[in-house]
Amino acid sequence: DVKVTQSSRYLVKRTGEKVFLECVQDMDHENMFWYRQDPGLGLRLIYFSYDVKMKEKGDIPEGYSVSREKKERFSLILESASTNQTSMYLCASSSTGVPGAGYTFGSGTRLTVV
Amino acid sequence: DAKTTQPPSMDCAEGRAANLPCNHSTISGNEYVYWYRQIHSQGPQYIIHGLKNNETNEMASLIITEDRKSSTLILPHATLRDTAVYYCIVRVLSAGGTSYGKLTFGQGTILTVHP
Repeated sequence: DVKVTQSSRYLVKRTGEKVFLECVQDMDHENMFWYRQDPGLGLRLIYFSYDVKMKEKGDIPEGYSVSREKKERFSLILESASTNQTSMYLCASSSTGVPGAGYTFGSGTRLTVV
Repeated sequence: DAKTTQPPSMDCAEGRAANLPCNHSTISGNEYVYWYRQIHSQGPQYIIHGLKNNETNEMASLIITEDRKSSTLILPHATLRDTAVYYCIVRVLSAGGTSYGKLTFGQGTILTVHP
């Protein structure tokens, strides 16, 4: 089974801090994604990457950046955390080589910015 | 990607079939129907997908109407562990059949399976 591992389950950070959320997948997937999930708003795509060093903006990229230096790792960076970035963050991966294949999600990181 | 409409909530008795409907009346010919579910405090889990034929796997069956404007996810023998939010998503596969295109999640259906 594909495993997508997010480094922290819960995280509390202060306003203005630079925050790194890490995601690692172990099945050599080409594509990786970062979503955030908020009550009433559902899951919204922040950024995705379809290859090492490649990235594309999703629907809500403002205030975030990403890094994909290695195929298995996709990092989400909050340059200066704000309280409106308090949310559940979900990482996912998928394979380009398997048409129609589903996405595999991690368990999520619940980030609280105080 | 086409928009989907799902009922906000449904109930099902344990051991009975759960039939979750999804309307996607604006679906295009090259859009697939995907179903995911999210159990509380976990990431979404892929269930099944299809284009126009009915599909079945170890988790569920997917019935797509002939005009493809709606579909039904069937959990044949629901258990308490099937209580979750179920998402119906339609998505175009990018050129060449690759699948890195983004998924757009709606609000889903909260399925509650009760004893």
